[in-house]
Amino acid sequence: LAKTTQPISMDSYEGQEVNITCSHNNIATNDYITWYQQFPSQGPRFIIQGYKTKVTNEVASLFIPADRKSSTLSLPRVSLSDTAVYYCLVASIYNQGGKLIFGQGTELSVKP
Amino acid sequence: GAVVSQHPSRVICKSGTSVKIECRSLDFQATTMFWYRQFPKQSLMLMATSNEGSKATYEQGVEKDKFLINHASLTLSTLTVTSAHPEDSSFYICSAPNPRGGYNEQFFGPGTRLTVL
Repeated sequence: LAKTTQPISMDSYEGQEVNITCSHNNIATNDYITWYQQFPSQGPRFIIQGYKTKVTNEVASLFIPADRKSSTLSLPRVSLSDTAVYYCLVASIYNQGGKLIFGQGTELSVKP
Repeated sequence: GAVVSQHPSRVICKSGTSVKIECRSLDFQATTMFWYRQFPKQSLMLMATSNEGSKATYEQGVEKDKFLINHASLTLSTLTVTSAHPEDSSFYICSAPNPRGGYNEQFFGPGTRLTVL
């Protein structure tokens, strides 16, 4: 499982766009990039997943450059309720349904 | 959408007692579930993989006799912390793969806060 590196913490203000970058230099050809969100005292929640280029859903966008050695989670116009820890994970497609290894995550604090 | 539940949500027990935590997949079947432990201000640490109808697979450093896992049905996995001690106090979270989701997409339970006095 490829190791990931994220900033430990980030601060933002309501209404701003937040971009959280994750480095995964050793990503393998068969690896997908997945992001989870965790609020205090709750289990994580799946946000978005991608392999290359750009993926967008109702919650966020995920940008993946051609070399796939990093990825950026973009949260548009954050609100106070987006204050949470965001985890970037990399795992193989052959791991489908398999275990996930969480890194340290990025603690996002959104201020009024 | 599919939901994973845990029971109890909080438990306080005395040192030396055993505590059982249940993890249920509510509207889907899960042949595999996972158990994590999370200490304050730390990330989730995978403890073990729970396999329906067979023995659990434990991560390195996790005592299988301390943390007993039973996956007796396709919707229920249980974690029993035996002879709990204060250092076992933690937030325990289970997960199950989303049967209709993409790669590495899992549903997580709400967690169980264990406090051992």
